[in-house]
Amino acid sequence: SAVISQKPSRDICQRGTSLTIQCQVDSQVTMMFWYRQQPGQSLTLIATANQGSEATYESGFVIDKFPISRPNLTFSTLTVSNMSPEDSSIYLCSVVFLWKDVRGDEQYFGPGTRLTVT
Amino acid sequence: DQQVKQNSPSLSVQEGRISILNCDYTNSMFDYFLWYKKYPAEGPTFLISISSIKDKNEDGRFTVFLNKSAKHLSLHIVPSQPGDSAVYFCAASHNTDKLIFGTGTRLQVFP
Repeated sequence: SAVISQKPSRDICQRGTSLTIQCQVDSQVTMMFWYRQQPGQSLTLIATANQGSEATYESGFVIDKFPISRPNLTFSTLTVSNMSPEDSSIYLCSVVFLWKDVRGDEQYFGPGTRLTVT
Repeated sequence: DQQVKQNSPSLSVQEGRISILNCDYTNSMFDYFLWYKKYPAEGPTFLISISSIKDKNEDGRFTVFLNKSAKHLSLHIVPSQPGDSAVYFCAASHNTDKLIFGTGTRLQVFP
């Protein structure tokens, strides 16, 4: 089975700073997504990471706050910019695998990055 | 507007018995439904799915039932095992669009 890794697994950051989270997959994927799970909440989609072009953001999320890169089929980064305590969350990447003969909405998740902003 | 709802935040079941986790949705356009399991400090793991053209899908101890008229789906785990203790999320999508997740139900299976 494929491996989805995220770095860092957790971090504690000061307000006003930025953190870049990496997502690496060991096989090619068609789609990559970034989610946020705030304490006690469900998973909320931030954006779809598009290879070689600007990410597609969901309502309430903007590129200036959450810039995303996806330079190739297996790697993406999410930056949380100018952080405030309200950004404290678990950030997760998810993928849809190229090799699975399933619908495009069957996503597989990385282990998550637990971010605490003080 | 919460389109996918899991009204029970927690459920406690004895080992060997059946666990039933429920999920309700409001958007009649949803045509695919999934269940994910999440352990602490891990990402959600895909468990089982069902298309709207079916009313039941079974995989080992896990069965998902879909009642389209009631806009309701449920996950049955039989028999429940202590390793099943986790948070379970249901999710729905329309025409391979983005997944909409419920708020999760924490299942605890005790000996």
